[in-house]
Amino acid sequence: EVQLVESGGGLVQPGRSLTLSCRASGFMFEDYAMYWVRQDPGKGLEWVSGISWNSGRIGYADSVKGRFTISRDNAKNSLYLQMNSLRGEDTALYYCVKDRGTGFGSSWMTAWGQGTQVTVSS
Amino acid sequence: DIQMTQSPSSVSASVGDRVTITCRASQGISNSLAWYQQKPGKTPELLIYTTSSLQSGVPSRFSGSGFGTDFTLTISSLQPEDFATYFCHQTNSFPYTFGQGTKLEIK
Repeated sequence: EVQLVESGGGLVQPGRSLTLSCRASGFMFEDYAMYWVRQDPGKGLEWVSGISWNSGRIGYADSVKGRFTISRDNAKNSLYLQMNSLRGEDTALYYCVKDRGTGFGSSWMTAWGQGTQVTVSS
Repeated sequence: DIQMTQSPSSVSASVGDRVTITCRASQGISNSLAWYQQKPGKTPELLIYTTSSLQSGVPSRFSGSGFGTDFTLTISSLQPEDFATYFCHQTNSFPYTFGQGTKLEIK
C-alpha cells in the first residue's frame, strides 16, 4: 500500500523559513516523480512544485519560484520542500503527491498524503 | 503559464441528473488533462487521466472528453456519493495547474 507521510508544518512568522518532509513507502520511490500541492481550507488546489524521479526535471509555481526549493533523497525515500521568505498567502495544507510515472511523459497524480499544515502569521 | 478555467464554479443537481463540467486551457495541452474528485475533509481522488481514461475502480457513469484547449467531465446519472468538488488538472508542461474547482451540490 502506498503511504505518503508529511511532516514539518507549523506556525511560522512572515519572512521565516520552514522545511517540509515527506516519507514514502509501499512503492519504489526512486522510480516516480513527486509533487507538492497545497490547499487553503475550503478553497482550491494549487500545484506548488514537482520533481522527476532523478531530479533532472524540476518546476515551481510562479507564486513560489525563487523562494521554495524542492528536493528528494531516493536513498531515504524522502521528498522535501524548503520554504524561505514565507508569506501569509503561503498558509495552507501542503500535500505530498505521487505521480504515475517518472515525470517524463504523461503524468497524473495517483496518491496523496494527508497533508501538513503551514500557517504563516505574526 | 497555462491557466485552467473551470465552469461552472458550482452547480445544483438532483440524483439521476446528467451533469457536465467544462475546463478550458489558456493554450493547447494535447490530452494532458486529469479530473479529481474531492469530498470534505478528504484528499482528492483521481477519476480520469489523459482526458478520457477512467481510473480503475471509478464508476462508468463518469466520462471525460476533449483535446487541446476544451475538455469536459460528464456524470451520466448522479448518485448521492457524487456530490463533491471536482478539479481539472493539466500536466502538459510545468508549472502544472489546476482549475478552480466545481462544487456539485444537491438540489
